Amino acid sequence: VIWMTQSPSLLSASTGERVTISCRMSQDSRGYVAWYQQKPGKAPDLLIYGASTLQNGVPSRFSGSGSGTDFSLIISSLQSEDFATYYCQQYYIFPGTFGQGTKVQIK
Amino acid sequence: EVFLLESGGGLVQPGGSLRLSCEGFGFTFNNNAMSWVRQVPGKGLEWVSTITIDGGRKEYADSVKGRFTISGDNSKNTLYLQMNSLYVEDTAIYYCARGLDGYNLLFDYWGPGTLVTVSS
Repeated sequence: VIWMTQSPSLLSASTGERVTISCRMSQDSRGYVAWYQQKPGKAPDLLIYGASTLQNGVPSRFSGSGSGTDFSLIISSLQSEDFATYYCQQYYIFPGTFGQGTKVQIK
Repeated sequence: EVFLLESGGGLVQPGGSLRLSCEGFGFTFNNNAMSWVRQVPGKGLEWVSTITIDGGRKEYADSVKGRFTISGDNSKNTLYLQMNSLYVEDTAIYYCARGLDGYNLLFDYWGPGTLVTVSS
């Protein structure tokens, strides 16, 4: 099992700020890392896969980086619609484990 | 347009059974792996089970192995999750999710979810 540790669990930020969410894995996932956004009462949406590839339709203010066991999701300029919970996930091997989530809230 | 729609959730007693369904629209079912992911309200995401393309392989989380069975009916574009011997800890929103391209565990479309409550 590849364990995922996401940080922080809660992030308070203002509109326009740059935010970074980190995800550390217990072993190398060969870059098979995805990021999802989830808003209250909704299913998750895929934002990024392959550590840095933007899913179709996702705004360019979202980006992903990292390699080996350490990965990051960056939002370059936070918008009102970005306040949500974000999850990292490895899809390299079964079970497809998720991080614990990072809630981005208004400061 | 691709979308997924789950059904079959509800209230069931501990030890009981339930079958969830997920109908897919706008794509051919057997071209993608399909999965179930669950979420206790207010908590994180937990992968439950995956059936690979053409149903060749079925994988389960340890927490449900031996109790849950995943299956698919390509003629109906429908995914199922048969849940037996349910525990209170199985209470969650159950989402079905489509695998992107040839990936088993990378989910590009999700249904809105169906709530399963296990309680006496």
